[in-house]
Amino acid sequence: KQEVTQIPAALSVPEGENLVLNCSFTDSAIYNLQWFRQDPGKGLTSLLLIQSSQREQTSGRLNASLDKSSGRSTLYIAASQPGDSATYLCGVGEEYGNKLVFGAGTILRVKS
Amino acid sequence: EPEVTQTPSHQVTQMGQEVILRCVPISNHLYFYWYRQILGQKVEFLVSFYNNEISEKSEIFDDQFSVERPDGSNFTLKIRSTKLEDSAMYFCASSERRWANSPLHFGNGTRLTVT
Repeated sequence: KQEVTQIPAALSVPEGENLVLNCSFTDSAIYNLQWFRQDPGKGLTSLLLIQSSQREQTSGRLNASLDKSSGRSTLYIAASQPGDSATYLCGVGEEYGNKLVFGAGTILRVKS
Repeated sequence: EPEVTQTPSHQVTQMGQEVILRCVPISNHLYFYWYRQILGQKVEFLVSFYNNEISEKSEIFDDQFSVERPDGSNFTLKIRSTKLEDSAMYFCASSERRWANSPLHFGNGTRLTVT
């Protein structure tokens, strides 16, 4: 059974700092991995999707990497801003299935 | 930008009652999903739906639950005989292609409170 772990559980940084969020998964037979952002009381917003054959994806200040063999993904946020404050969720798409398995998320607070 | 809409935003019901949670997926999307998040816990998959039938369901999705696409736009989740432990945020999601190849778009959720 796929287990997804996100570290750290919470992170507080000053504005402008670069930061890395980590996601690990136990079963490397994945099809893709998606990073989401969740604001309080809201749904999940897709940030980046990485196919299993890819190593990384970039969107603006966000860069996500994937090392399928070691069961790890990182989300790099450059020059963090207070508006980046949210919970970041990692969802792993299993190779044989039709669903995402989520981690518990990292609560990010960027202080101005 | 097109979005997934869910109604109601908050539903309070008594134990044993039936509830229907409604979703309007993005119009050109073909795959539909329900997930839930119990307060303080992970987002959990419930069911996926394609071509008017369930394509996968989790252990949580037992006979108490059902899904339906009654017309060309709505996608509903029915929970029969609700229990206290059904209290959670329920999220509807859709994707243009099979989930593996296109990102999931989530609605803002329906907070279900069972008293």
